[in-house]
Amino acid sequence: GENVEQHPSTLSVQEGDSAVIKCTYSDSASNYFPWYKQELGKRPQLIIDIRSNVGEKKDQRIAVTLNKTAKHFSLHITETQPEDSAVYFCAASMNQGGKLIFGQGTELSVKP
Amino acid sequence: GAVVSQHPSRVICKSGTSVKIECRSLDFQATTMFWYRQFPKQSLMLMATSNEGSKATYEQGVEKDKFLINHASLTLSTLTVTSAHPEDSSFYICSADGGATDTQYFGPGTRLTVL
Repeated sequence: GENVEQHPSTLSVQEGDSAVIKCTYSDSASNYFPWYKQELGKRPQLIIDIRSNVGEKKDQRIAVTLNKTAKHFSLHITETQPEDSAVYFCAASMNQGGKLIFGQGTELSVKP
Repeated sequence: GAVVSQHPSRVICKSGTSVKIECRSLDFQATTMFWYRQFPKQSLMLMATSNEGSKATYEQGVEKDKFLINHASLTLSTLTVTSAHPEDSSFYICSADGGATDTQYFGPGTRLTVL
């Protein structure tokens, strides 16, 4: 089955700096890759997603890149703010409404 | 937007008892719902896929007789943890397939503590 690896497990940046989180997946049949932000004790919130027919997608300060050949995708957050501090999860799925296999998570800390 | 609710939000029970958790899609119909479990400081682990009107599909390593899933309507799926033990204490989160929007929507989660 699908396996998703995520790095780093923790990431600390200064406010205004950029943060990059990377994920790799194992199943070449996966074609949908969402990123979630989860605050302590809360539900995961979808922040951006990408499908396998697209190499990059951007939404304001957040961008995701996908390298389907290498089977890895990355989340980029620019101009980080303290409110960006949370745990971020990548995931992979065979389709947009299908079951999600999550990465291990990255605890992002943005220091003011 | 689409809303998914879970009930209860928190539950504390004694070891050996059973606990039922409900997952509802409030403003859309969901033929498919998913159940995840999340231990402290860990990722979400998929437990099973719940399909309306049919048996759930369990992930490898998840005991189907211990975690009973019922998806009797297009807006409700239930997860029953039978004979709960302290190691079942976890954060249980459901999600629903949004159908037309083709996006998964997560419930707020249920914190289960087994004493």
